[in-house]
Amino acid sequence: DIVMTQSPDSLAVSLGERATINCKSSQSVLYNSNKKNYLAWYQHKPGQPPKLLFYWAFTRESGVPDRFSASGSGTDFTLTISSLLAEDVAVYYCQQYYSTPPTFGQGTRVEIK
Amino acid sequence: DVQLLQSGGGLLQPGGSLRLSCAVSGFTFNTYAMSWVRQAPGEGLEWVSGISGSGDNTYYADSVKGRFTISRDNAKNTLFLQMNSLRADDTAIYYCAKDQSADDPRRFDYWGQGTLVTVSS
Repeated sequence: DIVMTQSPDSLAVSLGERATINCKSSQSVLYNSNKKNYLAWYQHKPGQPPKLLFYWAFTRESGVPDRFSASGSGTDFTLTISSLLAEDVAVYYCQQYYSTPPTFGQGTRVEIK
Repeated sequence: DVQLLQSGGGLLQPGGSLRLSCAVSGFTFNTYAMSWVRQAPGEGLEWVSGISGSGDNTYYADSVKGRFTISRDNAKNTLFLQMNSLRADDTAIYYCAKDQSADDPRRFDYWGQGTLVTVSS
């Protein structure tokens, strides 16, 4: 199974400041035939189901605010919130779908400083 | 609007059985794969099982293989998870999730509300 490792486990950011979450896979999730990275990002708020933010590493899901951005390729990926709002407090997960079983990172908790 | 409405769940003793259901609407059910994903207390997300849109192909995490069975009724737009030989470490919130692909489990764009399964003596 591909192991997904996120860093940090948690971070506290002031309102309006930038939050950056890293995700590393134990093997490349870049499929050479189509040059796509099989990597998704989710936001999970307490009491709600997870919400898909990005897929193919940086394709934004419909309705996701543009203060959220994602980047990376191969084994190293980043989710950035450019200007944190109170509503962004959540746990964020990366997930690979390059191979079955799909696997998630352990999650990064984002809080307000 | 896409909706996934879950039912089932509850408190069971170790070794017990339970069936979860997920009734969907708002999309052509038989053209999308579906999965179950769980979150144990204080833990992260864990993919449990997936099924292709046709129902011909099923996939399981090693932790549940041989104990859980995923199925779907495309005529009734409903996804199921039959859970047997339940263990304490199966205690979790279980989510059904719609895949963006038709076959093997990939990425999940719509989720059910979640249902709590507690296994305890």
